[in-house]
Amino acid sequence: QTVVTQEPSFSVSPGGTVTLTCGLSSGSVSTSYYPSWYQQTPGQAPRTLIYNTNTRSSGVPDRFSGSILGNKAALTITGAQADDECDYYCVLYVDSGIYVFGTGTKVTVL
Amino acid sequence: EVQLLESGGGLVQPGGSLRLSCASSGFTFSNYAMTWVRQAPGKGLEWVSGISTAGIATYHADSVKGRFTISRDNSKNTLYLQMNSLRGEDTAVYYCARWRAGNYFDYWGQGTLVTVSS
Repeated sequence: QTVVTQEPSFSVSPGGTVTLTCGLSSGSVSTSYYPSWYQQTPGQAPRTLIYNTNTRSSGVPDRFSGSILGNKAALTITGAQADDECDYYCVLYVDSGIYVFGTGTKVTVL
Repeated sequence: EVQLLESGGGLVQPGGSLRLSCASSGFTFSNYAMTWVRQAPGKGLEWVSGISTAGIATYHADSVKGRFTISRDNSKNTLYLQMNSLRGEDTAVYYCARWRAGNYFDYWGQGTLVTVSS
């Protein structure tokens, strides 16, 4: 069973930079997994941030960027703002029509 | 404006069945694959099922395979999730989402809560 791992939590100062990662329990994440990233505030539906590794979804500020760092997918928030405080999930395309969400990272801005 | 509206959630006993619906508007439904994602209380997101544009190809997570069936009615612009043999661990908010060819989900509904309990 494929497990996609993320850091449970991260803290960043207002205006600071934070990089969240998305890894596989076994193996490396590459662009072939089409990593995408979603933002979710409590009680709300997810919002699409990044798809196909590094493409920003419509309306997403350019302080959000995606990449591959080493053997993981990464989401970087540059110039963090208070309303960036929420949960972030990655998703990997692991097989024909099959996707696996990461465990999620709670970001605190303080 | 793209809109997705889930319905059909509620309280059901273990072993019971429920059918969720997702009504769409604001786009040509038959041109897009669709998916269901769920979130147990206080937990993370879990991909559940996906379906191709014409409904010919369907995909399910191992956790629901053999119990859940995804389907669609393009004449009604509606996506469905038939859930049978429900278990306590199926308790979650179920979201429908539009599934794009680039392997991501771009629009999401607000979700419907399914509670499996006696």
